[in-house]
Amino acid sequence: GENVEQHPSTLSVQEGDSAVIKCTYSDSASNYFPWYKQELGKGSQLIIDIRSNVGEKKDQRIAVTLNKTAKHFSLHITETQPEDSAVYFCAAKSPVGGADGLTFGKGTHLIIQP
Amino acid sequence: NAGVTQTPKFQVLKTGQSMTLQCAQDMNHNSMYWYRQDPGMGLRLIYYSASEGTTDKGEVPNGYNVSRLNKREFSLRLESAAPSQTSVYFCASTLEGPGELFFGEGSRLTVL
Repeated sequence: GENVEQHPSTLSVQEGDSAVIKCTYSDSASNYFPWYKQELGKGSQLIIDIRSNVGEKKDQRIAVTLNKTAKHFSLHITETQPEDSAVYFCAAKSPVGGADGLTFGKGTHLIIQP
Repeated sequence: NAGVTQTPKFQVLKTGQSMTLQCAQDMNHNSMYWYRQDPGMGLRLIYYSASEGTTDKGEVPNGYNVSRLNKREFSLRLESAAPSQTSVYFCASTLEGPGELFFGEGSRLTVL
């Protein structure tokens, strides 16, 4: 099945700086890559996603890039703000196999220092 | 709009006890999922239901059973709880895969 590795596990940045979280996946047939944000005590929420026919996608301060050859994708957050502090999960969806769910990375705890 | 609702939010069990986690969604979604989240392990799929009347095992199904009661409700049952099942459980739903997953707020289960 699919295997997703996520780095770093913890990332601390100064408010206003940029943050980058990286993920690699194992199944070259995977075709959907979402990013979820989990705030303390809450369920995760989708913040951005990308499909395999696109190399980059932006939504205001958030962007995701996908390198299919290297099988990695990254989340970029610019001009970080205190409300960006949360745990971020990347995920990949392989079209092969019985499970209809996503394979998630282990998460990155992003800390925005004031 | 309630979205995905899970009950209970917190539960403490003794080893060997049984319990059921309830999940309901009001978005007319077809697919529903149960994940567990452990420190440093991310979200791991326990069971899923692609449509009403069907259920399938995910990555970590041992020790759990599920029921897709109707289109809205998907329950997770622990027949004989073990300390290894101490975790935070999340229910999620989507209209159809792959697409945006909508998560409940989680149920924190402790097995002593």
